[in-house]
Amino acid sequence: ETGVTQTPRHLVMGMTNKKSLKCEQHLGHNAMYWYKQSAKKPLELMFVYSLEERVENNSVPSRFSPECPNSSHLFLHLHTLQPEDSALYLCASSQELAVEPYNSPLHFGNGTRLTVT
Amino acid sequence: DQQVKQNSPSLSVQEGRISILNCDYTNSMFDYFLWYKKYPAEGPTFLISISSIKDKNEDGRFTVFLNKSAKHLSLHIVPSQPGDSAVYFCAASKPRAAGNKLTFGGGTRVLVKP
Repeated sequence: ETGVTQTPRHLVMGMTNKKSLKCEQHLGHNAMYWYKQSAKKPLELMFVYSLEERVENNSVPSRFSPECPNSSHLFLHLHTLQPEDSALYLCASSQELAVEPYNSPLHFGNGTRLTVT
Repeated sequence: DQQVKQNSPSLSVQEGRISILNCDYTNSMFDYFLWYKKYPAEGPTFLISISSIKDKNEDGRFTVFLNKSAKHLSLHIVPSQPGDSAVYFCAASKPRAAGNKLTFGGGTRVLVKP
């Protein structure tokens, strides 16, 4: 088992569909993240969950809805997306630490390549 | 406004030579810096990091240099190997902020020629 597993690897959906991306981490980490990588743009942080509570939401549109039922699983629910939402969606996890640097490096999954038609 | 910039989108280097990747940042609050490496169809993997209290950190063939006054960091790979061909991202974070919020640069694609 790889450390962070994302499914599906590829997803094509219409603008009226509802779908979910799934992420599972086997590293015993206590924080999980959703990042978006669009063509020719830097990785953008979408959501952060620490100890299963959402601690960061960078003003992401409400058509993206995260869910973190436990420290090992993270979902991203998608509905009524737009073609510009087509991107690589990356899940990551890390361990929040009590001492500097306060977080272990992020471990990323291999991503879901999403195409919205 | 992009707070972390990698101004060279690509770099080509001969096997055995040194690869030097550069990264500039604008936010003086950043105090922890990381480099990630990404192969096609895979997620980024952590490579090396440096805290702002240091100016150099070395791990095998990889060395990261930090120049705080210039708000500049660089990654040196020596000797470069064909397996180092990938996209490299630098990232920065501020002092303890909830959720390990990293700001990434746009990446530099490295091609190591045999």
